[in-house]
Amino acid sequence: NAGVMQNPRHLVRRRGQEARLRCSPMKGHSHVYWYRQLPEEGLKFMVYLQKENIIDESGMPKERFSAEFPKEGPSILRIQQVVRGDSAAYFCASSRDTGTGELFFGEGSRLTVL
Amino acid sequence: GENVEQHPSTLSVQEGDSAVIKCTYSDSASNYFPWYKQELGKRPQLIIDIRSNVGEKKDQRIAVTLNKTAKHFSLHITETQPEDSAVYFCAASSGDKIIFGKGTRLHILP
Repeated sequence: NAGVMQNPRHLVRRRGQEARLRCSPMKGHSHVYWYRQLPEEGLKFMVYLQKENIIDESGMPKERFSAEFPKEGPSILRIQQVVRGDSAAYFCASSRDTGTGELFFGEGSRLTVL
Repeated sequence: GENVEQHPSTLSVQEGDSAVIKCTYSDSASNYFPWYKQELGKRPQLIIDIRSNVGEKKDQRIAVTLNKTAKHFSLHITETQPEDSAVYFCAASSGDKIIFGKGTRLHILP
């Protein structure tokens, strides 16, 4: 049973480009969460999705960031017109149940903006 | 929304001694409190969790306590070993998203 799969593991973008991060949850999990981790900082909640629905996006910056979890395929976190401050590790996690069950994290996608 | 504070940010203990990490939360509706361990360059992994209907839970060298009245919870690691060196995150949830503290970097000194 494969764990949470994230790709790419490392992504380098120049300022103004777009970054797309993908996350496939564990089999049987329908809840997906995205967190951002800056160096030496904690895991900051960004967005919580279920299939075809954004449940809570209170942690997402109002501009340039969007997320989706389509009926088929992985969840995608999209960052448009990246800036240097977007450089971080972006972790995806999935769970079977909402909010009160174990989160299984992917290995993370490390975005570097030049 | 929920806010989780975690202390200390860094902790160094002698191998074999105990380590204690403390967290407070703001949302009285929170009822689930997991702890995650993240080794350098790795993914966070659940090490223990506690729900609001119990005050303490233990798993070998790790224990968690919860004080709902004061809205704080703690992680206790006894007989620390070198492999305990990592960043530890507390978290709280009221049923939807899980909010994490900023983490404690634990160093086990030889």
